[in-house]
Amino acid sequence: KAGVTQTPRYLIKTRGQQVTLSCSPISGHRSVSWYQQTPGQGLQFLFEYFSETQRNKGNFPGRFSGRQFSNSRSEMNVSTLELGDSALYLCASSPSSGANVLTFGAGSRLTVL
Amino acid sequence: AQSVTQLGSHVSVSEGALVLLRCNYSSSVPPYLFWYVQYPNQGLQLLLKYTSAATLVKGINGFEAEFKKSETSFHLTKPSAHMSDAAEYFCAVRGTSGGSYIPTFGRGTSLIVHP
Repeated sequence: KAGVTQTPRYLIKTRGQQVTLSCSPISGHRSVSWYQQTPGQGLQFLFEYFSETQRNKGNFPGRFSGRQFSNSRSEMNVSTLELGDSALYLCASSPSSGANVLTFGAGSRLTVL
Repeated sequence: AQSVTQLGSHVSVSEGALVLLRCNYSSSVPPYLFWYVQYPNQGLQLLLKYTSAATLVKGINGFEAEFKKSETSFHLTKPSAHMSDAAEYFCAVRGTSGGSYIPTFGRGTSLIVHP
C-alpha cells in the first residue's frame, strides 16, 4: 500500500513568488490535512480537507490556501511568499475527518530567499 | 481550547537506559492522545494512541505510554533505549475548533542516545 506522497520534496523560491505543493493521500483516505513545521513555532495546523470541502483552518493568513480534488489529492498554495514562510510543509491523510490517526508524508521543504 | 506541553526540548540517555519523555495536556473534551516520532528528513510516524480504552497503551518499537487523568499526563516510556531511537518525538491531543476536531502538537522532544 503506497504511503502519502508529497511533491516536490525540496524547493527554493524568492520573496513575492507563489508556490503550490501537492499531496497524494493513501488510497481510500478522504481526509487530507496540512501542517507547517518550523524550529521556532513547531508543528502548526494549516487546514483540513474532507471530500473536497475545507473542514477547518488554522490561524494562518489568507495567503495560505488549499483545495482537494475528487480523487482526494490535495494542493496547498502560498502566495506572495515571505522569508518567514520557509518551513517543512507536511501533509497527512486519514480515512475520516476528525484528527484521529494521521499518516504523514515526508514533507516539502520550502526555502524562501 | 486544548494544548500540549512537552517538558524538555532535549533528553539525553545512554544506550540501554530507561527513556522517559514527558507530556502534559489540557483539553475541554475527553482527550484522544497520540505520540508520533519523526526521523531526520521524514514525516511523522504514529507510535501509539489513547482513545479512552486502557490507560496503559503499548505502541511500536517497545514504547508505551500511560494516561493519567488526575495528572493530565501522557508520558512516553521505553525500558531500554537503542541507538535507533534517536529522533524527535511529538505528543499530540485531538481538540476542537468550530465544532470540528483538530490536532494540537507539542513542541517536540529530541531524544539523544549515547553509546
